[in-house]
Amino acid sequence: GIQVEQSPPDLILQEGANSTLRCNFSDSVNNLQWFHQNPWGQLINLFYIPSGTKQNGRLSATTVATERYSLLYISSSQTTDSGVYFCAGPPRGGNKLTFGTGTQLKVEL
Amino acid sequence: DVKVTQSSRYLVKRTGEKVFLECVQDMDHENMFWYRQDPGLGLRLIYFSYDVKMKEKGDIPEGYSVSREKKERFSLILESASTNQTSMYLCASLRTGAGNTIYFGEGSWLTVV
Repeated sequence: GIQVEQSPPDLILQEGANSTLRCNFSDSVNNLQWFHQNPWGQLINLFYIPSGTKQNGRLSATTVATERYSLLYISSSQTTDSGVYFCAGPPRGGNKLTFGTGTQLKVEL
Repeated sequence: DVKVTQSSRYLVKRTGEKVFLECVQDMDHENMFWYRQDPGLGLRLIYFSYDVKMKEKGDIPEGYSVSREKKERFSLILESASTNQTSMYLCASLRTGAGNTIYFGEGSWLTVV
């Protein structure tokens, strides 16, 4: 199966700072998605982004499918952004969704 | 909104017990998944199902089995629970086709003592 590598594994920010999270895939993926897991364990979809750029408020994501990576940008971070961010995608032609090991983000006052 | 419901939020079981984790989704999704999440290891796929009575092994199926008798329900079974199966278990569902997002349940925290 495909391998998914996320960086950095851990990140501590001061409130108001910006950050970029990266996701690299070992092979082509369809339906690449970003998720946020809150401190209570609930996973929430942030973006479905197989290619191109999308923005939702302070968050935006860019996927360069030909180079097998995706970036998640968080601007003006808030304490509520804390949690774990995962990227995931199934291989082309498949439905087996493979996750990265996540980026643990902590935003401090 | 899609709802994925896991029957138990917190469970404590003894080594050797048979454990059932139930998951129900209400949006007629074809695909359902069971993951376990452990610190530093992300989400690892145990089993998934793309149709009723169909199942495929994920990356870590050993010690687990699954059942999908109805489209809306996907059960994870630990035939004989062991302490190394202490983990958080997440169920998810996904409609087949491009452009669809995966939806997760709230998770089941299983402790095997």
